[in-house]
Amino acid sequence: DAKTTQPNSMESNEEEPVHLPCNHSTISGTDYIHWYRQLPSQGPEYVIHGLTSNVNNRMASLAIAEDRKSSTLILHRATLRDAAVYYCILNEGYGQNFVFGPGTRLSVLP
Amino acid sequence: DAGVTQSPTHLIKTRGQHVTLRCSPISGHKSVSWYQQVLGQGPQFIFQYYEKEERGRGNFPDRFSARQFPNYSSELNVNALLLGDSALYLCASSSVPTGGLHEAFFGQGTRLTVV
Repeated sequence: DAKTTQPNSMESNEEEPVHLPCNHSTISGTDYIHWYRQLPSQGPEYVIHGLTSNVNNRMASLAIAEDRKSSTLILHRATLRDAAVYYCILNEGYGQNFVFGPGTRLSVLP
Repeated sequence: DAGVTQSPTHLIKTRGQHVTLRCSPISGHKSVSWYQQVLGQGPQFIFQYYEKEERGRGNFPDRFSARQFPNYSSELNVNALLLGDSALYLCASSSVPTGGLHEAFFGQGTRLTVV
């Protein structure tokens, strides 16, 4: 399975944008890039996913590098409820076997 | 609408015992996957079932088994429990078997403690 690398932790101030990076230099042409987040004492929650083009939804934006070897999850205005562990995952699309790494723990300061 | 429901929420077992964890997917979802999350780590894939057939298996010993019922609910069974099996067990459901195009919905998990 293709691997991803993320910073262990990041900090942001409330109501400011947050850019969470993810490197996936061994990504294959059929790998989708998924982002999930896990709030304390809860199961992971879907955030966004994409293949080649940048994607936007009500929660976040996903910016994918042209060579697809890296991507960035963008939270436009961080709130205290966005404090969570964010996971960047590659999935080849043939199964549900998501390979989670340790993720990035995001702290949001009031 | 009800999300993915798992039972029980917490469980304490003794080494060597057997445990059965249950998962009810979102209505209409036919794919169920199981994950193990040890404290401080990301979830690790155990099994995926779709339409009652096993679609994928992670790197777990044969002590771990699962099945899916005609109503698409699922059970995860673990035999001969070890202390290292202590973890949060997560169930995820999806409308399709493939992960690329579609999101998975996770339950709150079952916290298993083996003593």
